[in-house]
Amino acid sequence: GAGVSQSPSNKVTEKGKDVELRCDPISGHTALYWYRQSLGQGLEFLIYFQGNSAPDKSGLPSDRFSAERTGGSVSTLTIQRTQQEDSAVYLCASRRTVDNSPLHFGNGTRLTVT
Amino acid sequence: QQPVQSPQAVILREGEDAVINCSSSKALYSVHWYRQKHGEAPVFLMILLKGGEQMRHEKISASFNEKKQQSSLYLTASQLSYSGTYFCGTRGTTDSWGKFQFGAGTQVVVTP
Repeated sequence: GAGVSQSPSNKVTEKGKDVELRCDPISGHTALYWYRQSLGQGLEFLIYFQGNSAPDKSGLPSDRFSAERTGGSVSTLTIQRTQQEDSAVYLCASRRTVDNSPLHFGNGTRLTVT
Repeated sequence: QQPVQSPQAVILREGEDAVINCSSSKALYSVHWYRQKHGEAPVFLMILLKGGEQMRHEKISASFNEKKQQSSLYLTASQLSYSGTYFCGTRGTTDSWGKFQFGAGTQVVVTP
């Protein structure tokens, strides 16, 4: 079956512009995560959604970052007024709602802010 | 808080063993291990749950010491395919159900 799909795979934007990153999780997966990975760094937690519950936004680095998930499926991560330090790979992952289920990652969106 | 992984990097020859550690300052409910090859997405290796058994994936095994809030990943008789960056992801006992935080990763290079 299809895995987690992210688009675009690459995005180059000018400083100050807004960007939207999209994630299409595996069908039937109720939990969806966004992580940020800067060059050579670890996975920084940003936000996660679980079903219809309020998302855990505790990892969003500033109010320029927001995310939504429509209909319990597709999610969009929006970064407003992008800064150069926002340059990174943004990874989305989804998982089933059981404690021993793994996260399935997409291939990420590489964001470059010039 | 993020878990702390050590070492940051390790270079092995094919057939050698290595241990990667993942430590947390808080009580853990579960630990996940993932491997990421260059330019690819992280791929799941195994999960260790509080009170659970030691897990194994091929010749890679892991343990979870609840008292020490630490997990160790054992690469036994390493193969070239084991090269990559290994991440542990943890969920604390007081964290919300899905909140996983990952360590900074351990880069493993296996040479012929």
